Amino acid sequence: QVQLQESGPGLLKPSQTLSLTCTVSGGPINSGGYYWSWIRQQPGRGLEWLGSIYNGGSTYYHPSLRSRITISADTSRNHFSLSLTSVTAADTAVYSCARGPRFESGFSEYNWFDPWGQGVLVTVSS
Amino acid sequence: EIVLTQSPATLSLSPGQRAILSCRASQRISTYLAWYQHKPGQAPRLLIYDASHRATGIPARFGGRGSGTDFTLIIGSLEPEDFAVYYCQQRRDWPITFGQGTRLEIK
Repeated sequence: QVQLQESGPGLLKPSQTLSLTCTVSGGPINSGGYYWSWIRQQPGRGLEWLGSIYNGGSTYYHPSLRSRITISADTSRNHFSLSLTSVTAADTAVYSCARGPRFESGFSEYNWFDPWGQGVLVTVSS
Repeated sequence: EIVLTQSPATLSLSPGQRAILSCRASQRISTYLAWYQHKPGQAPRLLIYDASHRATGIPARFGGRGSGTDFTLIIGSLEPEDFAVYYCQQRRDWPITFGQGTRLEIK
């Protein structure tokens, strides 16, 4: 059973860099054809996809964050990471990692975001 | 970017009633749509994938339908544990997008 766990600092000052790691257990991140993703929820708002990485290399990012975001993966440690530079109060959110998407043909629940980590609250405040 | 618009924003119902939640896409996405249930302090839970297929372990009272631009999540008879926020999500194209959510609250 695949499980994901986020880790990283919970408090940042404006202009600092947010760095989070998602450690995956129960299966390797470089197999199965999965992307691995970061998603956040700002206070009082809905879910926002931030970006995804595939097989340790290919990435897709949310257009509004493209200048500040980097997602990387370390297959030897079976984890992937989020870096978001120049944070502001607007980046205060619960950040979650998730397995998915996957683009296999046919109908499959494995093509979607599942499972998810529990999420970690990151607060940006001076 | 494919925009997903959910309605209503809030739905107030009583246990035992039927809930109908809508999600409209700004362009055709075939059946590349999923529904998630999200409760405070918990990870979102995949309910419905590919518009109409229940995920493993999801009760039969949850159903989805639709294709193209209009999608519906139906909860047949509400249980107390069903009151939560529900999101639709598309993977037809990057960037992946979520709807803004429908809050299902107890009346």
